[in-house]
Amino acid sequence: EAGVTQFPSHSVIEKGQTVTLRCDPISGHDNLYWYRRVMGKEIKFLLHFVKESKQDESGMPNNRFLAERTGGTYSTLKVQPAELEDSGVYFCASSQGRRRLAFGSGTRLTVV
Amino acid sequence: GENVEQHPSTLSVQEGDSAVIKCTYSDSASNYFPWYKQELGKRPQLIIDIRSNVGEKKDQRIAVTLNKTAKHFSLHITETQPEDSAVYFCAANSGNTPIVFGKGTRLSVIA
Repeated sequence: EAGVTQFPSHSVIEKGQTVTLRCDPISGHDNLYWYRRVMGKEIKFLLHFVKESKQDESGMPNNRFLAERTGGTYSTLKVQPAELEDSGVYFCASSQGRRRLAFGSGTRLTVV
Repeated sequence: GENVEQHPSTLSVQEGDSAVIKCTYSDSASNYFPWYKQELGKRPQLIIDIRSNVGEKKDQRIAVTLNKTAKHFSLHITETQPEDSAVYFCAANSGNTPIVFGKGTRLSVIA
């Protein structure tokens, strides 16, 4: 079984630019989550999809962040325009139920 | 909402010794407590989890304990080996809410 895949693995962009992160969950997993970890801090929840619907987006920092999940399959997270404080590792995770998350390897975003 | 505190932030042990990582949670409705291990450059992986109807769970050299009254839970690793070196995250949730993670503990096992 293929795991959760994310790309790119690294992205360095300038402040004000746009970046789009992609996540392909494990096939058959209806639940898809985005989390972010800033250096030395917790893995912080951003949002949760059930199939193509946003179940909970209470963790999204502001309206510069837009997440979509096309047809209930892969998901994208777009940051526009990026700010310095958006730097961190963005993790995607998927699950069949709402527990036992399987994580991707993350995208390390650096905004300079 | 839920808040998970994790201690210590870093931990160094000699190979063969035991390591203990402690976490507290704030939401009494939380009933699921997973632990994830993230090795350098790799993805976080679920290593063990416990539900609130169980006080302790073991899997080979790792064990988790849960004290619902005090709202704290711990990860115990016995006979540590160099490959146990990683960042460990505790987490909690109530089933209807997102899983909330602690800040992580960087464990170094010194050979």
